[in-house]
Amino acid sequence: DGGITQSPKYLFRKEGQNVTLSCEQNLNHDAMYWYRQDPGQGLRLIYYSQIVNDFQKGDIAEGYSVSREKKESFPLTVTSAQKNPTAFYLCASSILASGELFFGEGSRLTVL
Amino acid sequence: DAKTTQPNSMESNEEEPVHLPCNHSTISGTDYIHWYRQLPSQGPEYVIHGLTSNVNNRMASLAIAEDRKSSTLILHRATLRDAAVHYCIPLLYNQGGKLIFGQGTELSVKP
Repeated sequence: DGGITQSPKYLFRKEGQNVTLSCEQNLNHDAMYWYRQDPGQGLRLIYYSQIVNDFQKGDIAEGYSVSREKKESFPLTVTSAQKNPTAFYLCASSILASGELFFGEGSRLTVL
Repeated sequence: DAKTTQPNSMESNEEEPVHLPCNHSTISGTDYIHWYRQLPSQGPEYVIHGLTSNVNNRMASLAIAEDRKSSTLILHRATLRDAAVHYCIPLLYNQGGKLIFGQGTELSVKP
């Protein structure tokens, strides 16, 4: 079945460590996105990519990095520069500019 | 960026219709209005979208005001699965189609 897969679902890390969250899609979508969600809040856009080897910063890109070496993959690295990394991270993909996003199940990162 | 305004929360009884309002007075003429819903601890799910005309699908109906400054998501018969946060989002066409989520409306459905 086609879909979007995030891993791991839960992740615990010590403060100061970099963490990479995986996002893979087999929907042949050009666009991919990373959002962050804090408890009781809406989603905030971190990074998005409309094509391989290209990506743009969203509203809260500081302390995060991404790569888009393959169409189906858009990993997110949460670096030690991110001041408050504990959050629920959601990856999504879409046909470019269609507005219909398909979301993964999310990765819940807790920094101890 | 276009901004939206939604009530923080609403309540409904199961099997009754629900009208979820959204104000988006600053959207441009090419911005579609999208609605998503998010169940607890899950990623958002696409519900419906439209530009100028009213739209229907198996999940809901979308009524867009003639001046496009507001829209209403209509759930014809609320179910317990509709108990979620519902987001109204303009698709910013001139910014590559990225979606900016606001706070949404948390809908409670009473059995």
